Parts: sequence; structure tokens; C-alpha cells
Amino acid sequence: KQEVTQIPAALSVPEGENLVLNCSFTDSAIYNLQWFRQDPGKGLTSLLLIQSSQREQTSGRLNASLDKSSGRSTLYIAASQPGDSATYLCAVTIFSGGYNKLIFGAGTRLAVHP
Amino acid sequence: KAGVTQTPRYLIKTRGQQVTLSCSPISGHRSVSWYQQTPGQGLQFLFEYFSETQRNKGNFPGRFSGRQFSNSRSEMNVSTLELGDSALYLCASSPGTHFMNTEAFFGQGTRLTVV
Repeated sequence: KQEVTQIPAALSVPEGENLVLNCSFTDSAIYNLQWFRQDPGKGLTSLLLIQSSQREQTSGRLNASLDKSSGRSTLYIAASQPGDSATYLCAVTIFSGGYNKLIFGAGTRLAVHP
Repeated sequence: KAGVTQTPRYLIKTRGQQVTLSCSPISGHRSVSWYQQTPGQGLQFLFEYFSETQRNKGNFPGRFSGRQFSNSRSEMNVSTLELGDSALYLCASSPGTHFMNTEAFFGQGTRLTVV
């Protein structure tokens, strides 16, 4: 059974710091891995999608890496800003019951203070 | 290009009632998935519809059901509401036509409170 774990559960950093969020999964048979951002009470915003054949993806100050063999992904946020405060979720797409579905981690709650 | 639209945004219902939530996917997307999010359980998969057929189902009781229309819009129904059904219900759309083409885009969610 695929399980996704995110560490740390919460993080509080001063503005300007570079930081790393971690995501691990137990079964390497994934199609892709997606990082999302969720603001309180809101939906999920897709940040980055890494296909299983890729090693990393970049968007602005965000960089996500994927090591499928070891079951790990990291989301690197450069020069953090207060506007980055949110919960960050990673999810893997697996093949289940004949079709694909997303399995989510519990998220990392990030607070960036001025 | 319009995003995923969920209605209503907020809902308050009484135990025992039933509720219907609606999701309009991104134009051209044929796959719609539903998730329940609670503080204790996180995001849990409910079911997925593709071309009006349920393709995948999570571990939820039969009180939770859904359907998809020919225009890909989807509805989710919960009957005989329980207090534990209070949650944020999220809908995700994706092209769904190929295993590599599964990037999911989420709506803003419907916050259901059962009293």
C-alpha cells in the first residue's frame, strides 16, 4: 500500500531563508509526483509536476527534485517571503484498480515571518 | 481558460439530511475526482469519473455517491449526513486520457458543516 510522508509537519522561518521540504513514498511504482500549495480554507494550487522519468522541475523560486528509486522528493524554496506561508502538499499518482489516483501526504505547514 | 469551479462554497446542513455538491472541470478535461479533507484524516480519495463512468472508488460508505454528465460536470451526493461528514470537499480535474497526462487541477472546495 502506497504511503506518502512529509517532513517536517510544520516549519517557521524568517523571511529570506532558503528552505527544503521533504516528501517520501513507500512504493517507487509511481507515474508522477505533484507539489501543491494550499492556503487556509482554500483549494489546492498546483506548483510543480515531475514525471517519473524526470529528475527535477523548476518554476521561479521553486525547484522540486525526484529520486524515484529511493522514494524521495524535495521542494526547495529560495529566498522565502511572507506570501509563501501556506501548507505544502505532495502527492504521487499511482495505478490502482485499473486506473490512476493521487495519494497525498499530510502536508508541511510553512510560516515565513518578516 | 477558466479553472475548476465548485458550488456552493459553503454549506450548513443538519444531521440526517442529504446534500449535493457540484463541480465543473476545466474545459476539455474528462476526468473529475473528488476528495474529502479533514484535519484528522487529511486528503482522502472519494471517487473518480471519466466520460460519465465511475473508474475508481475510495473507501467510503455507500452514502457517498456521484455522477458525471455528458459535459463532464460532476455532482457528489451525501445522504443521511453525519457530524463526521463535516469537511472540505475538493474536486480535481485532469485530461485523464493517458497515464502520463494526469496533472490534477483543483477547485476552491465546498466547506460542508453538519450540525
